[in-house]
Amino acid sequence: GAGVSQSPSNKVTEKGKDVELRCDPISGHTALYWYRQSLGQGLEFLIYFQGNSAPDKSGLPSDRFSAERTGGSVSTLTIQRTQQEDSAVYLCASSADREFGGYTFGSGTRLTVV
Amino acid sequence: RKEVEQDPGPFNVPEGATVAFNCTYSNSASQSFFWYRQDCRKEPKLLMSVYSSGNEDGRFTAQLNRASQYISLLIRDSKLSDSATYLCVVRKDTGRRALTFGSGTRLQVQP
Repeated sequence: GAGVSQSPSNKVTEKGKDVELRCDPISGHTALYWYRQSLGQGLEFLIYFQGNSAPDKSGLPSDRFSAERTGGSVSTLTIQRTQQEDSAVYLCASSADREFGGYTFGSGTRLTVV
Repeated sequence: RKEVEQDPGPFNVPEGATVAFNCTYSNSASQSFFWYRQDCRKEPKLLMSVYSSGNEDGRFTAQLNRASQYISLLIRDSKLSDSATYLCVVRKDTGRRALTFGSGTRLQVQP
């Protein structure tokens, strides 16, 4: 596609439920990143996929968070047993070259845990 | 200490003013530097890269001071459309190679 596509754009879930967030990067981009942004805060790195290399999971805040990237393209971020502090905007970005800072971000998924 | 620190602002300036933001980074292994712009409730977008020699893009000038570990962004002749949050971004050359974002400086240009 022309840009990074994320779905859903908004998600309201009850505390304790699992959620899946999807990211469809720009075709041909080998690098894919997940960040989250809480209200009024900066972007917090979560996980980074580069080609077929093992992902950099060093930013995942707990073992309730996991992500996968199938076929080097679409990625899914899963949050199990959601907590209220998980409420944030989850942003996905992709880039053609991991050495370059020109990320293209999707418009994000706004997650609200009630 | 945060890896990237910025004054959150807001900076309220009149149209036509010149405004400058600074950003400091803590990791001397940082190799690449960028400014991103984020409009309210939108995703960040790359504004410009920051080169060691300094670089200019129209009304925007970016500077890097490696010795003092700070980056600056200067905006001349501010426009109403410049109102946004400006994110300072760094990338290390070792370890995690994903970008590290500052919390941003909010700019409000007033008529």
